[in-house]
Amino acid sequence: DAGVIQSPRHEVTEMGQEVTLRCKPISGHDYLFWYRQTMMRGLELLIYFNNNVPIDDSGMPEDRFSAKMPNASFSTLKIQPSEPRDSAVYFCASRWLYTGELFFGEGSRLTVL
Amino acid sequence: AQSVSQHNHHVILSEAASLELGCNYSYGGTVNLFWYVQYPGQHLQLLLKYFSGDPLVKGIKGFEAEFIKSKFSFNLRKPSVQWSDTAEYFCAVTALRGGGNKLTFGTGTQLKVEL
Repeated sequence: DAGVIQSPRHEVTEMGQEVTLRCKPISGHDYLFWYRQTMMRGLELLIYFNNNVPIDDSGMPEDRFSAKMPNASFSTLKIQPSEPRDSAVYFCASRWLYTGELFFGEGSRLTVL
Repeated sequence: AQSVSQHNHHVILSEAASLELGCNYSYGGTVNLFWYVQYPGQHLQLLLKYFSGDPLVKGIKGFEAEFIKSKFSFNLRKPSVQWSDTAEYFCAVTALRGGGNKLTFGTGTQLKVEL
């Protein structure tokens, strides 16, 4: 298996623009997580899905952030409009319940100017 | 809700020194515990995990961790570090009931190993 695949790896955009980050989890995994990593706040859980259903989105910073999982093999995290404080590395991770282990993607480094 | 504390934010060691990184969690029920490592510029990778059984868990690259239930701790150890161990280390916990199966991470410990 190719692992968790995220795109884009790097994104530079201007304040106010819409940003869409994409994730393809490992086939067969039924949990998908979105994390954000910054120097100031460390690794924060934004939202996670189980069988494509959002379970806990309490970590989503504000209404500018939204996430979807239309099917078992694809998820998006959207920021609209983006702000400089959204600059961070966004990680997607997936797991199969009974292993408990999370497998992380390579991350999407977002810079908002 | 569960939480994880890593008290050492930055650790600097010389090669061959012994390592112990502290991790404490707050949750009274059954937990699964993990240590992840993030090498510079890379994604997080699993070092080791504890689900049940022997509280002393051995992972990759010579790392081990000991689960002490009475202390709510899961400290990471390595007898002799190498320069290549320079990385950030994250402790994480999943509460099996009441925690929603989400994995909560500590703030991380930045380890620098000097030659």
